[in-house]
Formats: sequence, C-alpha cells, structure tokens
Amino acid sequence: EIVLTQSPGTLSLSPGERATLSCRASQRVSSNYLAWYQQKPGQAPRLLISDASSRATGIPERFSGSGAGTDFTLTISRLEPEDFAVYYCQQFGSSPQITFGQGTRLDIK
Amino acid sequence: QITLKESGPTLVKPTQTLTLTCTFSGFSLRSSGVGVAWIRQPPGKALEWLVFIDWEDDKRYSPSLRSRLTITKDTSRNHVVLTMTNMDPVDTATYYCARLNGYDFDYWGQGILVTVSS
Repeated sequence: EIVLTQSPGTLSLSPGERATLSCRASQRVSSNYLAWYQQKPGQAPRLLISDASSRATGIPERFSGSGAGTDFTLTISRLEPEDFAVYYCQQFGSSPQITFGQGTRLDIK
Repeated sequence: QITLKESGPTLVKPTQTLTLTCTFSGFSLRSSGVGVAWIRQPPGKALEWLVFIDWEDDKRYSPSLRSRLTITKDTSRNHVVLTMTNMDPVDTATYYCARLNGYDFDYWGQGILVTVSS
C-alpha cells in the first residue's frame, strides 16, 4: 500500500500570501495519478487537481499542482479568505489501491 | 447536472450490518471510465477509501476492509449499494459516495453520518 504523507500538518498564513503544501508518497505513484482536494467544515471534499497538475473544472488559476514520482506539491499563489480549509492528496495505484494523505489544515494567521 | 446522494440508517448497533444506498443522476454507470466509490471519514479524521464499482462491474476493495464489504449496482435505477458487516464503534464516520472518473473523485455526495452505538 502506498502511504501518502502530507506536510505541514497545519499551515498558518495570511490572505494574499502564497501557500505551498507537500504530499510525499512511500512509493512511486503510477503515471502521476495524484489528486488534490479541498474540504471545508461540514462539506464534502472538492476536487482541485487531477493527474498531479490538471486543474479540475471551475477551479481558479491560483491553484496549481506539480511534482512526479514520489513528491508532489499544491501551490495556492495568493490566498483568498475562502481558501482556508483542509487539503488532502489522493493517489490511484495498481491493484488498484486508493489512498489519501492525512491532510494539511490551512489556517488564517 | 451531476448529483449523488447517500441514504440509509444513521444509527446502527455493534455487530449489525450497515446498508447504504447511493442514488446518482446526471451520468451513467455504463460510461467507459466511470465508477462509483464509497469513502468514509471518522469525525475529525482523514478520508479513507473503502470500495468502488466501475462501468464494467469490476469491484475493488480496500484490503483492510475487504472481508466486510460488498458493493453492487443497479444501472437502470442509478443506484449503488454498500453493505458493511459486523459494525463496530470505530466505524462511526461520515460515509460519502463519489463518482470515480478515471483516477480521481470529481463529484461527491453530501455524506451521511453513521453512528455505531448500542
């Protein structure tokens, strides 16, 4: 099973700042099938990024994904008030097995 | 417009079997590359994938829960049903169904909180 480790656990930033969230896999992620989700309290997760770097429909350009192999990054270029939430990465591997990271909480500083 | 909605009991007793239904609209489970998955989230914790079923009726289960899970689909009624046996208080969670489109989940239901307690 591929374990995804997200860091940091909590990130405290101010609106307008840049956020960089990391997701590290214990093994290479097949074909970079790595996705990122945003979850706000009381809501279902929302797909942001698929295939490591493709923005999902309707996702603002300030969200970008990068990385390959075992190291992936979600970047939010300029934080808006609505961006403060919990972010999860997810991989789709062979078998297939699907795993999520433990999440990064993005708090307002 | 694509929607999914979970339904079922919100309270089950330990050792009972949980049956949840996902009713979806706006897409077909006959479409290539499409599936419906179940994912859960204990209160305050991370997401955990449980199982999915795809357009070819292929079923894949989380290895850690495989022995307790069954997933079926009714394509004509746009339903996917999850059964989970031998429920325990640690299974208390919000259970989501979501559309699997390729390799990620692009649409999610609102979730249903299931509490396991005597």
